[in-house]
Amino acid sequence: DGGITQSPKYLFRKEGQNVTLSCEQNLNHDAMYWYRQDPGQGLRLIYYSQIVNDFQKGDIAEGYSVSREKKESFPLTVTSAQKNPTAFYLCASSTNPGLAGGEQYFGPGTRLTVT
Amino acid sequence: KQEVTQIPAALSVPEGENLVLNCSFTDSAIYNLQWFRQDPGKGLTSLLLIQSSQREQTSGRLNASLDKSSGRSTLYIAASQPGDSATYLCAVGRVGGGNKLTFGTGTQLKVEL
Repeated sequence: DGGITQSPKYLFRKEGQNVTLSCEQNLNHDAMYWYRQDPGQGLRLIYYSQIVNDFQKGDIAEGYSVSREKKESFPLTVTSAQKNPTAFYLCASSTNPGLAGGEQYFGPGTRLTVT
Repeated sequence: KQEVTQIPAALSVPEGENLVLNCSFTDSAIYNLQWFRQDPGKGLTSLLLIQSSQREQTSGRLNASLDKSSGRSTLYIAASQPGDSATYLCAVGRVGGGNKLTFGTGTQLKVEL
């Protein structure tokens, strides 16, 4: 089956620890995205990558880092510098990153709780 | 800065009713508009994508329209079913490359038996 996988589904960490969220896609999409979802707010863009070995900051990149060493993978690290890391994290991918109209497809999400 | 608003925040209808969900955006310079469905605790499922040059798209019982000049889109659901109960999200594709989306906060729909 083609799609996007995120692991783990639930993640618990202590404050001050870095944590890495996994995102893998087998849709052969060039572009990948990370969003954060908080109750009562729309999804907000953290980072995006239009091609391997390249990525750009989104609207709320502070306290996060990413890498894009393979087309299929776009891991997100939540660092200890992120003030409010507890949230639902969603990964997405799409075709045609430089053109209008690329439909975005989403993974099942990872719920991160930091205490 | 693009802002996307969805009203109402919640909606409850009886089964079989036709309904319309609304999405408005402040900047008419968009690349596309995408409607999603989200079930509790799950990821987003893409329902319809409308390119900026299009006026509407249809898929089964769903029809989405786009009026860029007025900054509005509607999602029409025909003959609603309990299985349609979910949160519906509207997202606008930004001009400037990268296919970045700006999301609304969603309409939570409940279809009752």
